[in-house]
Amino acid sequence: DGGITQSPKYLFRKEGQNVTLSCEQNLNHDAMYWYRQDPGQGLRLIYYSQIVNDFQKGDIAEGYSVSREKKESFPLTVTSAQKNPTAFYLCASSIDRGSSEQYFGPGTRLTVT
Amino acid sequence: AQTVTQSQPEMSVQEAETVTLSCTYDTSENNYYLFWYKQPPSRQMILVIRQEAYKQQNATENRFSVNFQKAAKSFSLKISDSQLGDTAMYFCAFMKGRNAGNNRKLIWGLGTSLAVNP
Repeated sequence: DGGITQSPKYLFRKEGQNVTLSCEQNLNHDAMYWYRQDPGQGLRLIYYSQIVNDFQKGDIAEGYSVSREKKESFPLTVTSAQKNPTAFYLCASSIDRGSSEQYFGPGTRLTVT
Repeated sequence: AQTVTQSQPEMSVQEAETVTLSCTYDTSENNYYLFWYKQPPSRQMILVIRQEAYKQQNATENRFSVNFQKAAKSFSLKISDSQLGDTAMYFCAFMKGRNAGNNRKLIWGLGTSLAVNP
C-alpha cells in the first residue's frame, strides 16, 4: 500500500533536548511538507521540500531543522531553541510542488516537559 | 493576503440527516483551488473534496458536495445521509492556482467540529 508513515505516534522529551520526527513516503512524490497543529488553530507550515537536497522555510521555521537526503524521507528535528515544541506534527507530500493535492501522514504528538 | 474563515466552531447532526458547513475566503486571485479536509479522532488529515475556481460546476464526492459561490467567495460543504463515521473536524483550505508559481501553500481555516449523533 502506498502512503505516508510517521513514527512514533506519541513522543515525549525533556526540555532542552533535540528530537527528530520521522516521515517516510512511498508514493514517489517529489514534494514534502511539515505542518504544526495546535488546539484552536489551523495548520501552520514549518518547512517544505520540492526535491532531494533542497528545502525551504515555511511560516514558522524558527527552532526547527530538516533534511532531504532521500526522496522518500523528510525528517524534522525540533531543537531546544523551539520555545513551545509541544504540538501535533503532520507530514504531507504531493506529486510536485505545483500540485494542489497534498496527502497526509497519521501525525506525531510531541510532548515536551 | 489570503484568509479562510469558518464561522461555525461546532455543529451537530442526527444520523441520516443532512448538514452544511460554511467557509468563506478572501483573495484577489482569479485562479485558485479550494479544499475540504476531514480530521477524525485518529487525527489523520483526509482530503474530502477539491474545487477548482475556474470550474463553475460544484464538485461532488459520493455523499459530499460543495456549494461554490465565486462572487461571494463562499465554499460550503454539504454532507448528505450523515454517518457516525463522519464525526470529525472539518477544515476548509485555499491554495493559489498554478499560474502563481511553485511557491504556493495551503491556507487553512480554524476548522468546524462536527458531531454525528445516533
